[in-house]
Amino acid sequence: AQSVTQLDSQVPVFEEAPVELRCNYSSSVSVYLFWYVQYPNQGLQLLLKYLSGSTLVKGINGFEAEFNKSQTSFHLRKPSVHISDTAEYFCAVRGAGGTSYGKLTFGQGTILTVHP
Amino acid sequence: DGGITQSPKYLFRKEGQNVTLSCEQNLNHDAMYWYRQDPGQGLRLIYYSQIVNDFQKGDIAEGYSVSREKKESFPLTVTSAQKNPTAFYLCASSTGGQMNTEAFFGQGTRLTVV
Repeated sequence: AQSVTQLDSQVPVFEEAPVELRCNYSSSVSVYLFWYVQYPNQGLQLLLKYLSGSTLVKGINGFEAEFNKSQTSFHLRKPSVHISDTAEYFCAVRGAGGTSYGKLTFGQGTILTVHP
Repeated sequence: DGGITQSPKYLFRKEGQNVTLSCEQNLNHDAMYWYRQDPGQGLRLIYYSQIVNDFQKGDIAEGYSVSREKKESFPLTVTSAQKNPTAFYLCASSTGGQMNTEAFFGQGTRLTVV
């Protein structure tokens, strides 16, 4: 079985402040890790993904995420947010083997609201 | 243009009726997925398929059915057994053999049952 937990349902922040959106996962097999963003009334688009190698992954729009295997976490960060970053963010895992092969599971989402 | 097309964008049905949501992709992807999105609950996996003529139940399959007769199509039927069918439904696709590739999403279908 695999699951994803996003620890914060809503994160309000002021413009130009740093932000961290937290994600923890659980799986009995190897997984690949993703962050997606959803703007209002739109589908999801990929922000970044962890494949292997360096634990720090850089994505689009200045976002980055750090993979921590021992803590089974994949937190998303941005050093300085903009009003346009206001959206809902989803962490996801895709099973690489066993009964979860190919299964793509999402977290509950974190609504990031950037205030001027 | 390559992509995923969900139709219709808005769908209204009377309670007790079955309804089928369409999802078509021209990305030549083997894997396809159906999700239900409700406020505060994220995306919950209904069914997924890694290859034609094969599919697996996701986490909330009860009251739903799917078929995968063609690579490019993965229709979802919401049956009368689904107790709370009103929701936003999203379809996605991805390559099948490589689990580290991203999924591409359609624009969704908003189903309202009255």
